[in-house]
Amino acid sequence: GNSVTQMEGPVTLSEEAFLTINCTYTATGYPSLFWYVQYPGEGLQLLLKATKADDKGSNKGFEATYRKETTSFHLEKGSVQVSDSAVYFCALSDLNLGYNFNKFYFGSGTKLNVKP
Amino acid sequence: EAQVTQNPRYLITVTGKKLTVTCSQNMNHEYMSWYRQDPGLGLRQIYYSMNVEVTDKGDVPEGYKVSRKEKRNFPLILESPSPNQTSLYFCASRPGQGFGYTFGSGTRLTVV
Repeated sequence: GNSVTQMEGPVTLSEEAFLTINCTYTATGYPSLFWYVQYPGEGLQLLLKATKADDKGSNKGFEATYRKETTSFHLEKGSVQVSDSAVYFCALSDLNLGYNFNKFYFGSGTKLNVKP
Repeated sequence: EAQVTQNPRYLITVTGKKLTVTCSQNMNHEYMSWYRQDPGLGLRQIYYSMNVEVTDKGDVPEGYKVSRKEKRNFPLILESPSPNQTSLYFCASRPGQGFGYTFGSGTRLTVV
């Protein structure tokens, strides 16, 4: 079946450090991949996405590349800020052939703490 | 502003007292879903809808009902709430296949 596995947190970094949050997936078809961010007390916001192999999604300095050969979609940022402190969720959307509807699979979330 | 609006943001209720959490989106999205978020369990889908009058169960539908009489609204109904339904609930919508969800701000429900 389909699933998403994220590195466990929390991840604690100093401001301006390089960030990597690992995400790997299993899928039966050709999924679209997403990263969401959840700031304290808020809902999830779509951060970036990639819909096919070798696509790179990017937004607000964050990047992730869809790697089919390693079934990965790692989130990276070159220089984190205190305001990036949040929980990050990797997600997968695969076509369920029994229904005309993509089912979404979320990872468990990785909490990022950035210290000044 | 394009958004998903949930109400109420916070709700404390007693066991067995029927309640409805409303959800409305102004983006003309086809697909809508309800999720609950619990510590250690992540996000779990309760129900989803592909269009008006088309709904189906997600991973944890027991104790919940939904309806989709209009495209923009997707209320979540708890007919007889129990303490194990204490959780943070999110409504979400998206245009269709290949698109990500837009989430509401959440409803924190406590059942005592």
